[in-house]
Amino acid sequence: QVQLVQSGAEVKKPGASVKVSCKASGYAFSTNNMHWVRQAPGQGLEWMGIVDPRGDSTNSAQKFQGRFSMTSDTSTNIVYMELYSLTSEDTAVYYCGKDGQHYNVDYWGRGTLVTVSS
Amino acid sequence: QSALTQPASVSGSPGQSITISCTGTSSDVGGYNYVSWYQQHPGKAPKLMIYDVSNRPSGVSNRFSGSKSGNTASLTISGLRAEDEADYYCSSYTGSTTWVFGGGTKLTVL
Repeated sequence: QVQLVQSGAEVKKPGASVKVSCKASGYAFSTNNMHWVRQAPGQGLEWMGIVDPRGDSTNSAQKFQGRFSMTSDTSTNIVYMELYSLTSEDTAVYYCGKDGQHYNVDYWGRGTLVTVSS
Repeated sequence: QSALTQPASVSGSPGQSITISCTGTSSDVGGYNYVSWYQQHPGKAPKLMIYDVSNRPSGVSNRFSGSKSGNTASLTISGLRAEDEADYYCSSYTGSTTWVFGGGTKLTVL
């Protein structure tokens, strides 16, 4: 069965960066894009970006361009996202999600809590 | 890209039907038949309930249905059950490999 296992919670100081991993299993990793979505405490879902594991082709929401990167490693079936220049407003649960090839996210990781605090 | 507009909350009694709206623009909801709906229980990851406006993934109850008219998509849940109480989010493809979510709707089963 499809599983997306994310790395553990992180606590970062303002101005730092954070890197979150998402290990995929149960499907052909290279044939499906991966989304990143975040959710601030008590808030809604926010789409951040998408990465094609075959060649690291990415696209992200305009809001994050310039301080957000996504990479993938097809040898380990892991996708990474890195967010730079963190502020308290980046405190959120970050989810990876497998693209369902119908313009949706059909499987989700359990989320990684990133807390930004001085 | 602005978030799609959903009502903050809806409620219904067991057995009743409710509808959640999701309003966007001709650049997202109105421009593509790629609207999805997700259910999220507290502390859990979202779950795909509807894709391509009105299609249900395998395993999702047929009590859940989706539709679209112009720039507004809708999720209808019939025969409400206690376990349907959750947050619901719509999402739309917006072109150029980008997506947008709605602000979310809290469903209360009375």
